[in-house]
Amino acid sequence: DTGVSQDPRHKITKRGQNVTFRCDPISEHNRLYWYRQTLGQGPEFLTYFQNEAQLEKSRLLSDRFSAERPKGSFSTLEIQRTEQGDSAMYLCASSLIADTQYFGPGTRLTVL
Amino acid sequence: GENVEQHPSTLSVQEGDSAVIKCTYSDSASNYFPWYKQELGKRPQLIIDIRSNVGEKKDQRIAVTLNKTAKHFSLHITETQPEDSAVYFCAASLGVMDSSYKLIFGSGTRLLVRP
Repeated sequence: DTGVSQDPRHKITKRGQNVTFRCDPISEHNRLYWYRQTLGQGPEFLTYFQNEAQLEKSRLLSDRFSAERPKGSFSTLEIQRTEQGDSAMYLCASSLIADTQYFGPGTRLTVL
Repeated sequence: GENVEQHPSTLSVQEGDSAVIKCTYSDSASNYFPWYKQELGKRPQLIIDIRSNVGEKKDQRIAVTLNKTAKHFSLHITETQPEDSAVYFCAASLGVMDSSYKLIFGSGTRLLVRP
């Protein structure tokens, strides 16, 4: 499968715990985006990378959120001290610069 | 910042009829407008997109129109089939005016095609 993949697909955690998600983009894509989608809403932009550089972060991304793309390939999104309001689908997308964004299947996070 | 509004939130049509979903955007500098289809539990998939130098684009039963003056764009699906049932999202991007090319999405339209 040459599409965008994400792991895990589902994560249930208790409030206050840390969680980490992984995204593997399409191999030749130098852009990687993270979006968050809550029930009944469209995806909201969180942050993006060009190669290994994180170039923009949304105001939605509090200090508890951190993202990395250490070698310009896969990316991780970590949420520290999770809150119930963090429950959402976290979507990753990849693209070539100025081209179509292809989405992964998402990681559904439930914070109890 | 950019804002995208999408209507209707739900749409029910008889199989074979047409469906139209409309979106408006706030930033006149937006120049890229994709449409994504998301089936239950699956990833958003691009079905068609249009850039601001084009007024209309068609791909088989799907077409998108863009009115830059009014800042709105629409998705048209003809001869609807039950497999068209899904949530459809419009999005806008400032493109080269914003080096991130991030997408701003509408809130989605749940389309139900009745057999």
